[in-house]
Amino acid sequence: DTAVSQTPKYLVTQMGNDKSIKCEQNLGHDTMYWYKQDSKKFLKIMFSYNNKELIINETVPNRFSPKSPDKAHLNLHINSLELGDSAVYFCASSQNPRGPQHFGDGTRLSIL
Amino acid sequence: DQQVKQNSPSLSVQEGRISILNCDYTNSMFDYFLWYKKYPAEGPTFLISISSIKDKNEDGRFTVFLNKSAKHLSLHIVPSQPGDSAVYFCAATNSGGSNYKLTFGKGTLLTVNP
Repeated sequence: DTAVSQTPKYLVTQMGNDKSIKCEQNLGHDTMYWYKQDSKKFLKIMFSYNNKELIINETVPNRFSPKSPDKAHLNLHINSLELGDSAVYFCASSQNPRGPQHFGDGTRLSIL
Repeated sequence: DQQVKQNSPSLSVQEGRISILNCDYTNSMFDYFLWYKKYPAEGPTFLISISSIKDKNEDGRFTVFLNKSAKHLSLHIVPSQPGDSAVYFCAATNSGGSNYKLTFGKGTLLTVNP
């Protein structure tokens, strides 16, 4: 029973394509997050939703659009992929915005 | 601008000995700190946290120490076990802020040798 699951685990695609990464949590948490871990290994917050409402929106290109159809899901859609988008993207969830975060296993995105 | 720094990229210790992982921060608004552990091809797992009203928090083999004046925290693992081999991330936040944004360090790879 995976608590936070992301699909796909690996994504290899061409520059300019549009792709989506899905995230689901079965922990009953109210808050969900997307992080990017770049080649320098820093984990940086991109977005956070609490009860389907956007509460954190870092300086991220507007090619990245999160969508939360319900509290258990937070998907990430990326338009016009660029080489610099290559990274590992982690989804996470927490009971509330102040609770410890539980992470998925990551999606490794590679842009050719 | 790295607000959370883990200056040791790696650390190697013998099984049974103490592992000490260090973390420094620059933002004086940070008042809540967390440690996460990450195995390869998995997501980070929450380990232990500490609020700035405390200077120590203990959970089994794991103890976190906070020195607010030095803006420094450390994670002690004793005794260290081979299964503790992983990347350890330090994270910090301002719990009174309008959101709960975690700022992570770059991680320290701990290797515990049998």
